[in-house]
Amino acid sequence: DQQVKQNSPSLSVQEGRISILNCDYTNSMFDYFLWYKKYPAEGPTFLISISSIKDKNEDGRFTVFLNKSAKHLSLHIVPSQPGDSAVYFCAASATNSGGYQKVTFGTGTKLQVIP
Amino acid sequence: NAGVMQNPRHLVRRRGQEARLRCSPMKGHSHVYWYRQLPEEGLKFMVYLQKENIIDESGMPKERFSAEFPKEGPSILRIQQVVRGDSAAYFCASSPSIATKAETQYFGPGTRLLVL
Repeated sequence: DQQVKQNSPSLSVQEGRISILNCDYTNSMFDYFLWYKKYPAEGPTFLISISSIKDKNEDGRFTVFLNKSAKHLSLHIVPSQPGDSAVYFCAASATNSGGYQKVTFGTGTKLQVIP
Repeated sequence: NAGVMQNPRHLVRRRGQEARLRCSPMKGHSHVYWYRQLPEEGLKFMVYLQKENIIDESGMPKERFSAEFPKEGPSILRIQQVVRGDSAAYFCASSPSIATKAETQYFGPGTRLLVL
């Protein structure tokens, strides 16, 4: 049961253009959403997050949009750079009774930025 | 300031053998989380440990898998009598305290387990 879905396994974008990575979730209990970036042979590194009370969060070239009614979020990277080429994981979490967040990851989208 | 360290990075085992995966958290971190990534899937939470305590093992398979985080030394994920379906990447993350924000979990590079 995949509660966080990334339906595009791969995406190719020209350098300088916008990259849009999409993610859908099914669990209404999720209240915090994150994007991670992963290079080969490394662990995921945190990129940007958004709380369920917001619909947009921006950090430099990276913007995350959240549409709660559609249970959909997206990551925009503009302008895209070759160094952005990596696998991007969408993730969601819900704070449980223990006070910590358990993270559920999507399957990832491999982004290739072409120089 | 070393990050989360995992070893070995690659582990090959034959069916029925035991696999031991180690995770050394970042300096000053006393909370450890283990995740498993099966082929073509996302990372899935397995277990959350504090020093000498298992806080949440809701994602651990009921049999053959165990985890510990002793007072001294690394956290160990142990898989007994491995089967081919255990082949996966196992990631460890650590946090300095209870992860009230998920981004306070810092991930290691993972151990790739291959069961022949």
